[in-house]
Amino acid sequence: AQSVTQPDIHITVSEGASLELRCNYSYGATPYLFWYVQSPGQGLQLLLKYFSGDTLVQGIKGFEAEFKRSQSSFNLRKPSVHWSDAAEYFCAVGANYGGSQGNLIFGKGTKLSVKP
Amino acid sequence: NAGVTQTPKFQVLKTGQSMTLQCAQDMNHNSMYWYRQDPGMGLRLIYYSASEGTTDKGEVPNGYNVSRLNKREFSLRLESAAPSQTSVYFCASSVLPGQGILNTGELFFGEGSRLTVL
Repeated sequence: AQSVTQPDIHITVSEGASLELRCNYSYGATPYLFWYVQSPGQGLQLLLKYFSGDTLVQGIKGFEAEFKRSQSSFNLRKPSVHWSDAAEYFCAVGANYGGSQGNLIFGKGTKLSVKP
Repeated sequence: NAGVTQTPKFQVLKTGQSMTLQCAQDMNHNSMYWYRQDPGMGLRLIYYSASEGTTDKGEVPNGYNVSRLNKREFSLRLESAAPSQTSVYFCASSVLPGQGILNTGELFFGEGSRLTVL
């Protein structure tokens, strides 16, 4: 069965520092992978996605993620964090695309705090 | 562009009361989903509807029912609310991969409905 693990529950970084959020997935075939961001009291917004091709994908707000099949990872990075990046981040993998089910399986999230 | 609209945004219920969460999307998507979000648990799928006229259970369906009223609307009903159903509920929609150019199965979410059961 598909699963997603985000090992870090909470991360604090200083404004201007680099950021890497970890995500590991379990899936038998080539996965569809996503990162979403959720600001407090808001819904989820898609940051970026990977489904084929170049393993380094660019997203909105200066984020990027790299798909590494050998490590079953899809880590999210940003070279310089801004205070407005404080939010909760969710990694997700697409489930059962060969059939009719198209839902995503989400990790439990990583909450990012940004120090001034 | 409204996207995915959920109502109500907030609701307080007493144990045993019933209520329906409404969801509508205007993106002509085939598939719709209901998730619940609890602290430390991420998002868990309650029910989904792959296409109009079909519904299926997700990971945590107990205590809920759904109706895919038409292509646009997908409602979630709590028949007899319990405190364990206190949560934030998200509706989402998507086009399945392969159903159009560049459709990669991403979900589009509503803003959520915060439900408290006392």
